[in-house]
Amino acid sequence: EAQVTQNPRYLITVTGKKLTVTCSQNMNHEYMSWYRQDPGLGLRQIYYSMNVEVTDKGDVPEGYKVSRKEKRNFPLILESPSPNQTSLYFCASSLLGTEDEKLFFGSGTQLSVL
Amino acid sequence: TQLLEQSPQFLSIQEGENLTVYCNSSSVFSSLQWYRQEPGEGPVLLVTVVTGGEVKKLKRLTFQFGDARKDSSLHITAAQPGDTGLYLCAGDKFRYSTLTFGKGTMLLVSP
Repeated sequence: EAQVTQNPRYLITVTGKKLTVTCSQNMNHEYMSWYRQDPGLGLRQIYYSMNVEVTDKGDVPEGYKVSRKEKRNFPLILESPSPNQTSLYFCASSLLGTEDEKLFFGSGTQLSVL
Repeated sequence: TQLLEQSPQFLSIQEGENLTVYCNSSSVFSSLQWYRQEPGEGPVLLVTVVTGGEVKKLKRLTFQFGDARKDSSLHITAAQPGDTGLYLCAGDKFRYSTLTFGKGTMLLVSP
């Protein structure tokens, strides 16, 4: 089954404790992206990647890091989480170069930073 | 800067009613997508429109892209409880740079 898998689904942590949210897709997609979703603010892009070893900042990259060492994986790293990073996070992927460049989303990671 | 404005923010209707959701911008988009998101899940793509004036139908849902490619609408005929969810529009200004999302319209359809 074609899917984007995020882990964990729920995470509660404390300020300053480094964490990684994993994202993996099995569709051989070149494009991957991370979003955060907050009430009243909608979906905002954090980072995206057009291919292996190619990453770029989205609208709200501060406090986040990403890496794209393999095509299928695109982890989101919070080196020193803060309470304002409490949010619902989504990973998404897409095949580039098609007329209908559909974004496939994972099921989300609800992060709470205390 | 919010590039895509969706209206209304919330909509609560009875089963069988018709409704229209709007997505407006001052910017021109190369394409515009509509997604539906259900609680606890990620958004799922409903449709992509790429040509100004384009109309696409998906069963009871009708999507229209404005002639100037700055706005779009989603019309639902005879809404059903299964249509309940958050409807998001997303615009792509350049061929897959960053996709900008509107804040969404939360639709509740009661039996």
